Amino acid sequence: AQTVTQSQPEMSVQEAETVTLSCTYDTSENNYYLFWYKQPPSRQMILVIRQEAYKQQNATENRFSVNFQKAAKSFSLKISDSQLGDTAMYFCAFMSGIKAAGNKLTFGGGTRVLVKP
Amino acid sequence: DADVTQTPRNRITKTGKRIMLECSQTKGHDRMYWYRQDPGLGLRLIYYSFDVKDINKGEISDGYSVSRQAQAKFSLSLESAIPNQTALYFCATSETSGRNTGELFFGEGSRLTVL
Repeated sequence: AQTVTQSQPEMSVQEAETVTLSCTYDTSENNYYLFWYKQPPSRQMILVIRQEAYKQQNATENRFSVNFQKAAKSFSLKISDSQLGDTAMYFCAFMSGIKAAGNKLTFGGGTRVLVKP
Repeated sequence: DADVTQTPRNRITKTGKRIMLECSQTKGHDRMYWYRQDPGLGLRLIYYSFDVKDINKGEISDGYSVSRQAQAKFSLSLESAIPNQTALYFCATSETSGRNTGELFFGEGSRLTVL
């Protein structure tokens, strides 16, 4: 079974600065997908960014980018130019690339990010 | 209106009561999921369904049951609620193959407190 570990329960960052959230995972599969989801105080789950394991290029989405290290099984999220609206819980998640497995996600425990003015 | 709607959004109940959490979606997706969220544990899969006749247990299905009444409706039941089922529950949907990007679309969550 896959596991996802987020080692930082909480982080704080000054507005306009950069913060990096770490995520490691364990799998024996070669083809899979990784995600970062954001959960603001409204508790809605919002997809931030998605990475396909067979793509070497790191995914970016505006101020959000990832550092995907497949050999190290590491998938960190960098938030640049942090904004107050980035304050949220962030979850790293793994999805098997095996079609029969469906879109079942395995989540890490989450990292709470507080952006300070 | 939200594409994935959960009711109730908040519920307080007592130990031993039967509780049903309902989920409906307008996205036309075949796949539906129920997760529970606990502090420090992230979200864990309770049950999932790939279509009306295909229901499967997730990693923490004990104490729960589900019903897929239609493509758009997927309900989670706690037959006899206990305090350690106090959690935030999420319903989610996803596309099937073809247009599937792997993304899950979540409802707004149902916070359940069992006293």
